Amino acid sequence: GESVGLHLPTLSVQEGDNSIINCAYSNSASDYFIWYKQESGKGPQFIIDIRSNMDKRQGQRVTVLLNKTVKHLSLQIAATQPGDSAVYFCAENWAGGTSYGKLTFGQGTILTVHP
Amino acid sequence: ETGVTQTPRHLVMGMTNKKSLKCEQHLGHNAMYWYKQSAKKPLELMFVYSLEERVENNSVPSRFSPECPNSSHLFLHLHTLQPEDSALYLCASSQDPGLVQFFGPGTRLTVL
Repeated sequence: GESVGLHLPTLSVQEGDNSIINCAYSNSASDYFIWYKQESGKGPQFIIDIRSNMDKRQGQRVTVLLNKTVKHLSLQIAATQPGDSAVYFCAENWAGGTSYGKLTFGQGTILTVHP
Repeated sequence: ETGVTQTPRHLVMGMTNKKSLKCEQHLGHNAMYWYKQSAKKPLELMFVYSLEERVENNSVPSRFSPECPNSSHLFLHLHTLQPEDSALYLCASSQDPGLVQFFGPGTRLTVL
């Protein structure tokens, strides 16, 4: 039979607009979260991280918001530029009973910025 | 650049070939990782090394064999692969497991 591919969520914005990318994470015990950006032909690039004892963290043009009640993470990009076009992944860290943590990645969101 | 390099960047191999992927990190990190990235799928963790000791083998078939000779180098030895193993293989490193990981550019592998 025919397999069904996974369709990544997409977000299209105009240059200069603010972008908000959302992520629902799976484990309420996760204590650390990271946003990555992956451009075509490159590996994921670290953008910003946040620990579970915080609900907001700001970087350069980016803000991450964490809502532990509903297990939701968002990445806000201010004044989005064409160079921001990429796939954005969230990742959650959970030790899961091991002596080390490991990251579990979301499927990603494709951001396209139109000039 | 992230300080993590991978070679080769592209590799085409037949199912009977043996090849190796190489990763080197210049960040002084203690943990290194192999991930598989297939089209439209989340990153899949394959192996984790912490201080040169393998701490995770995430149900990966034995045709993939990792090697970590020191904290700066990580290899993935490939033999008798299948076409479904075609993917982008990413290496990453972190100061310690559970901290932010920095990725290399990946090796695009095609198995014919």
